[in-house]
Amino acid sequence: SQTIHQWPATLVQPVGSPLSLECTVEGTSNPNLYWYRQAAGRGLQLLFYSVGIGQISSEVPQNLSASRPQDRQFILSSKKLLLSDSGFYLCAWSVALREGEQYFGPGTRLTVT
Amino acid sequence: RKEVEQDPGPFNVPEGATVAFNCTYSNSASQSFFWYRQDCRKEPKLLMSVYSSGNEDGRFTAQLNRASQYISLLIRDSKLSDSATYLCVVNRADALNFGKGTSLLVTP
Repeated sequence: SQTIHQWPATLVQPVGSPLSLECTVEGTSNPNLYWYRQAAGRGLQLLFYSVGIGQISSEVPQNLSASRPQDRQFILSSKKLLLSDSGFYLCAWSVALREGEQYFGPGTRLTVT
Repeated sequence: RKEVEQDPGPFNVPEGATVAFNCTYSNSASQSFFWYRQDCRKEPKLLMSVYSSGNEDGRFTAQLNRASQYISLLIRDSKLSDSATYLCVVNRADALNFGKGTSLLVTP
């Protein structure tokens, strides 16, 4: 069966510091991968998605970036965090880009201080 | 108009009650529809897909009305463990659009 891992589970970072969140998927090949952010009291915001290694589509450029160095690895990064980057970051995978269900990892709760 | 709209609630219902949530979507070209459940401080989990003819999974029934562009979720015989936020999800060309969710609290 497929599993999706994210780490760390929680993170407290000062403003201006860098960020690196990692997501890996097991049990499937060539998944579509997604990064979402859920701010307090708000809905899920799609940040990036990827249909293959090195292929990244950006929904909300801001000061975040994403990379997919391996088939089942998706990384979210920032060079300098802002207070507004605080939130619950969720990685998800799916089989079909257009219509398939998405399955989420446990998430990383980021607080920028 | 927002792409997916839901009443945020909260819906407070006693155990055993029947409760229904509605959701409207703006893109008439959407083809796939889902309900997800999200517990407090946890990731969303797929509850059920929504099919054109309507579908049922135990105590849960989902309906789709394409003409009016709304989706519904009916929960019968509510359990305490049904307390959560229910997210309405609609596909777009290259991803999924999530509603902000409807909060349900089932009380003893």
